[in-house]
Amino acid sequence: SQQGEEDPQALSIQEGENATMNCSYKTSINNLQWYRQNSGRGLVHLILIRSNEREKHSGRLRVTLDTSKKSSSLLITASRAADTASYFCATDAWGSGTYKYIFGTGTRLKVLA
Amino acid sequence: GAVVSQHPSRVICKSGTSVKIECRSLDFQATTMFWYRQFPKQSLMLMATSNEGSKATYEQGVEKDKFLINHASLTLSTLTVTSAHPEDSSFYICSARDRLWGSTGELFFGEGSRLTVL
Repeated sequence: SQQGEEDPQALSIQEGENATMNCSYKTSINNLQWYRQNSGRGLVHLILIRSNEREKHSGRLRVTLDTSKKSSSLLITASRAADTASYFCATDAWGSGTYKYIFGTGTRLKVLA
Repeated sequence: GAVVSQHPSRVICKSGTSVKIECRSLDFQATTMFWYRQFPKQSLMLMATSNEGSKATYEQGVEKDKFLINHASLTLSTLTVTSAHPEDSSFYICSARDRLWGSTGELFFGEGSRLTVL
């Protein structure tokens, strides 16, 4: 399976703490994206990092990418209860004449108020 | 940001009937749309890649006669679950990529359709 692995599968922290999620993938990529999903909803794009980038920031989000280890991490700083959601990484894979995105197994984050 | 509308959001049907789910890109044109399936507390599994004006490409293990995909225009793709059975009950999510951003741009997701087959 091309699917990436994320860890931890579930994470529970107190509001104000930082949350770190890791994603490992199997094939070479052009870019890696992180998405967020609230329960029973669609996905919201958080950040895209290209294969030639090592780190990217967006607000309270920090993403790193290590292509030699085929891994990425998402750090959410100063977490809030509203950050409670599932977080998925997605990597592009060539197939069917286009790049398609394969999602990791996801991390369920719960931020306690 | 770009908007993808998915309809219906919930559908309940009897076993043996067919259900059609629509995915529309509202403010951009999408040459490519993707259909995913998600079971509770699991990740998204890519079912098929839908290309405007051509046949969809299905992932291994996905029955093309069971899940009919039509991408008739640059803003609309439909997924029809034919002769649905209880094991087809799931959350189906579509996504689309703005053709202006090429083949590796951000995906925009619909809100998903929860199918329950009785």
